[in-house]
Amino acid sequence: DTEVTQTPKHLVMGMTNKKSLKCEQHMGHRAMYWYKQKAKKPPELMFVYSYEKLSINESVPSRFSPECPNSSLLNLHLHALQPEDSALYLCASRGQGYEQYFGPGTRLTVT
Amino acid sequence: AQSVTQLGSHVSVSEGALVLLRCNYSSSVPPYLFWYVQYPNQGLQLLLKYTSAATLVKGINGFEAEFKKSETSFHLTKPSAHMSDAAEYFCAVTGTSYGKLTFGQGTILTVHP
Repeated sequence: DTEVTQTPKHLVMGMTNKKSLKCEQHMGHRAMYWYKQKAKKPPELMFVYSYEKLSINESVPSRFSPECPNSSLLNLHLHALQPEDSALYLCASRGQGYEQYFGPGTRLTVT
Repeated sequence: AQSVTQLGSHVSVSEGALVLLRCNYSSSVPPYLFWYVQYPNQGLQLLLKYTSAATLVKGINGFEAEFKKSETSFHLTKPSAHMSDAAEYFCAVTGTSYGKLTFGQGTILTVHP
């Protein structure tokens, strides 16, 4: 099973709201990733967690706050977002051959 | 540092025709190379991967890719296109310990009846 799940599938939030995105995998992978994807563009890396520790932060604004509660879960906490943050947010986990398995994504709209 | 160039942002083929999507890479370390497919409003699905074993890699849905070090290429092919192959395809490379993927800009494949 190479499934990564993400909830919610769609999210609409105002600029003053606080919300969270959730990602889960049960493949025993120890590296997990958050990506942001705008229309007609490739995914852009935001964060990397390795063994539940934040390893890479690609200079992401502090209104995005990642959290890795355990080896299977990855959260992305959102606060005071801007309309330009509207995008598809993808979670992935890495297998032993360096391949990444992606979840279906959360379509975020900031109003 | 790694980079990926996908030649052709749009490729159009007829159903049953050969599919060829081009990918050239640059890497300062031996690369791991991947092809992903993305259907509208979905995540990325791994088609195939090259990890320094066989240079001809077979993937899902009848796709395959050949790693050519001398040409720094990893082109994706399928002998006979199907309507369900219409999607966006991304080539990606990694060579870092954290597995950071560098993607190409993507190629949108259109399949005509």
